[in-house]
Amino acid sequence: QVQLVESGGGLVKPGGSLRLSCAASGFIFSDYYMTWIRQAPGKGLEWVAYISSSGFTIDYAHSVKGRFTISRDNTEKSLYLQMDSLRAEDTAVYYCAREGGRPDYWGQGTLVTVSS
Amino acid sequence: DIQMTQSPSSLSASVGDSVTLTCRSSQNITDYLNWFQQKPGTAPKLLIFGVSSLQSGVPSRFSGSGSGTDFTLTVSSLQPEDFATYYCMQSYRTPYTFGQGTKLGIK
Repeated sequence: QVQLVESGGGLVKPGGSLRLSCAASGFIFSDYYMTWIRQAPGKGLEWVAYISSSGFTIDYAHSVKGRFTISRDNTEKSLYLQMDSLRAEDTAVYYCAREGGRPDYWGQGTLVTVSS
Repeated sequence: DIQMTQSPSSLSASVGDSVTLTCRSSQNITDYLNWFQQKPGTAPKLLIFGVSSLQSGVPSRFSGSGSGTDFTLTVSSLQPEDFATYYCMQSYRTPYTFGQGTKLGIK
């Protein structure tokens, strides 16, 4: 069955960096776009970024463009999100999801807290 | 960006009731409309994609309809496990955007 497991979250100071990972299994990873979606505590969902199956097509939300970098390693069946210049408003649970025309399978999420 | 607006923000209903949730987009998104269910402390779950297609494993009491800019999610004969927050999301154009959610509570 499809499984997505995020890791790498934690507490970081404003201006700091963090790299999230998402390990995929149960499907042919290299066939699918992948996406990151986040949810601030007690708030709604916000799409963050997606990457095509080959890695050549990438897009970001305005709020993270220039600060976050999405990437993937099809050999390792892994998705990544490099987050730089973090702000308090980036505090959220970050979910990776398989993008089959829509986010059809989600991981359990990893919490990122940006605070001094 | 395409704005998604859900109504109501919250709703109370009883087991066995039928409820309809509404989602409106700020521009025509044809049929690129998806619905998610989220329970506290868990990841969202895809219920319906392409306006009305049921994701595998989702009970048939969930149904979606609409086109263009106006969409609905109907849950017939509510079960205890259906009390949750529901989000619509457009996948017509990036940045993909979500509605603010409708919290369905027990009356």
